[in-house]
Amino acid sequence: IAGITQAPTSQILAAGRRMTLRCTQDMRHNAMYWYRQDLGLGLRLIHYSNTAGTTGKGEVPDGYSVSRANTDDFPLTLASAVPSQTSVYFCASSASAGNTEAFFGQGTRLTVV
Amino acid sequence: GIQVEQSPPDLILQEGANSTLRCNFSDSVNNLQWFHQNPWGQLINLFYIPSGTKQNGRLSATTVATERYSLLYISSSQTTDSGVYFCAVSNQAGTALIFGKGTTLSVSS
Repeated sequence: IAGITQAPTSQILAAGRRMTLRCTQDMRHNAMYWYRQDLGLGLRLIHYSNTAGTTGKGEVPDGYSVSRANTDDFPLTLASAVPSQTSVYFCASSASAGNTEAFFGQGTRLTVV
Repeated sequence: GIQVEQSPPDLILQEGANSTLRCNFSDSVNNLQWFHQNPWGQLINLFYIPSGTKQNGRLSATTVATERYSLLYISSSQTTDSGVYFCAVSNQAGTALIFGKGTTLSVSS
């Protein structure tokens, strides 16, 4: 059982470039989430999706977009990367939004230079 | 929104010692989870515990929902317990987990 798979594992990106972080889950979970983790700030929610076809904004959505075309995939796109988006990005999923156990992917370490 | 505070922020232990980590939250919750982030950055699920008490080996957790706190107990600590422990909660209005800033645990042999 793979659970949640994120790709790439790490990436160095030139500022101004477009980048899509991929996230796939095989648990048939309805809800999916993207977080970023920065030193001293813990994990902060970027965007979420309660079910396929719907998305919502979290605490720090600016500069990011998401889509949820199907249940399994929840890609995160940086349209024009900036150095402040250097972070570790985690994708997560849960059976339903908010009140069920969430599981996390292994993370993507992104450096914008 | 809901606030999550963890204490202590840092903890240094000798192997074999016991410890208690605390998580306070500012609203009623319908989800509370404890995670261990290991030195490789992986987030490991420890407990899903919106209320009550659970045990898993040397680890146990208790959530007193009416008083808005949760405790994580680590007994007979080992060097592999080192890392950051996060508490995360969601309330009735929430759609996702809100994380505390974590407790960094260092266990030395």
